[in-house]
Amino acid sequence: DGGITQSPKYLFRKEGQNVTLSCEQNLNHDAMYWYRQDPGQGLRLIYYSQIVNDFQKGDIAEGYSVSREKKESFPLTVTSAQKNPTAFYLCASSMRIPSSGNTIYFGEGSWLTVV
Amino acid sequence: SQQGEEDPQALSIQEGENATMNCSYKTSINNLQWYRQNSGRGLVHLILIRSNEREKHSGRLRVTLDTSKKSSSLLITASRAADTASYFCATEETGANNLFFGTGTRLTVIP
Repeated sequence: DGGITQSPKYLFRKEGQNVTLSCEQNLNHDAMYWYRQDPGQGLRLIYYSQIVNDFQKGDIAEGYSVSREKKESFPLTVTSAQKNPTAFYLCASSMRIPSSGNTIYFGEGSWLTVV
Repeated sequence: SQQGEEDPQALSIQEGENATMNCSYKTSINNLQWYRQNSGRGLVHLILIRSNEREKHSGRLRVTLDTSKKSSSLLITASRAADTASYFCATEETGANNLFFGTGTRLTVIP
């Protein structure tokens, strides 16, 4: 089945730890995204990538890092510099950066909790 | 960023009734999209309306766009309990590289 796979679904982080959320897509999409969603809130863009080996900061990139070494993969690292990381994280992809009306396909999300 | 704002924030209706939710935005757009999110899940694309379109239908969904008022509405007709979810509008702004999502309307359909 084609789609976006995020793992793990639930993750607990201790203070001062870095954690990495995995995102893999087999849709052959060029563009990939990471969003953060706080309870009852909308989505805020963390990072996006238009093509392999390239990525751009979104609205709330501080405390996060990404890499795009393969077209299929766009992992997100939540570093210890992110002071309030507890949230629901959504990975997404589209054929290309939204222009001309590309729709975005989402993974099922990962819950990160700081303990 | 220029997030859209949905109105109302929450809506509760009886099964069979129609549900209307609205989205307002601030800048010039290429298109506007509506997405649905079940609790704790990813978002699913519902419908896209381009800036030169005024109305679009897909099954029980009807979307309107008024670019002069910078607003859109999503109408779900003959609602079902399975329509219970949060609904988000997302705007592709002219010259931007990504979509800007609104804050969502949480719809509850009571059986």
